[in-house]
Amino acid sequence: QKEVEQDPGPLSVPEGAIVSLNCTYSNSAFQYFMWYRQYSRKGPELLMYTYSSGNKEDGRFTAQVDKSSKYISLFIRDSQPSDSATYLCAMKKSSGDKLTFGTGTRLAVRP
Amino acid sequence: DAGVIQSPRHEVTEMGQEVTLRCKPISGHDYLFWYRQTMMRGLELLIYFNNNVPIDDSGMPEDRFSAKMPNASFSTLKIQPSEPRDSAVYFCASSGPRGPYNEQFFGPGTRLTVL
Repeated sequence: QKEVEQDPGPLSVPEGAIVSLNCTYSNSAFQYFMWYRQYSRKGPELLMYTYSSGNKEDGRFTAQVDKSSKYISLFIRDSQPSDSATYLCAMKKSSGDKLTFGTGTRLAVRP
Repeated sequence: DAGVIQSPRHEVTEMGQEVTLRCKPISGHDYLFWYRQTMMRGLELLIYFNNNVPIDDSGMPEDRFSAKMPNASFSTLKIQPSEPRDSAVYFCASSGPRGPYNEQFFGPGTRLTVL
């Protein structure tokens, strides 16, 4: 079993929809949670990060962590065609430098 | 800043040949990571360096893979001999002054095809 599980999609939604992307994890040592966005034929880039449980909002994006359920989410409000990309969750323990990534969810926002 | 630079961007080779991938990290960054990305397995960490020293190579799939970082501005990932199952996109990433999230900056990747 992988430490981090993510539904690969693809997920196709109309412009303006609310999108929910999720990851589950098995290692309770993960303390820092991140979402990376990867456009086609590009490297991933950091989109948002959160620490432990709770919510964090940045414009149309909200990251949510539920450590009791080992579940993290990324919500995108008023989705735009420019949001079409693969979204990867990533996690890190308090000590150490490695990130553990999910496999990524491919999102397509239709105009 | 030019960001992380990788070369070549595309590589097509035949089984059994040696392949060398190159990476130039962002100046001032002291961590360098090599990843492999496939549809089936996602983004896998192969090895990472801190101050040019390999810290964790547990993700290197087998002895055919080797990585070096002779100085702070250059790293190579070598596959010898290459096999068709090595076909993937290989990313190099670097990170700098420490914060708890260790934001990693990725290069554009090298798309490797082994025939």
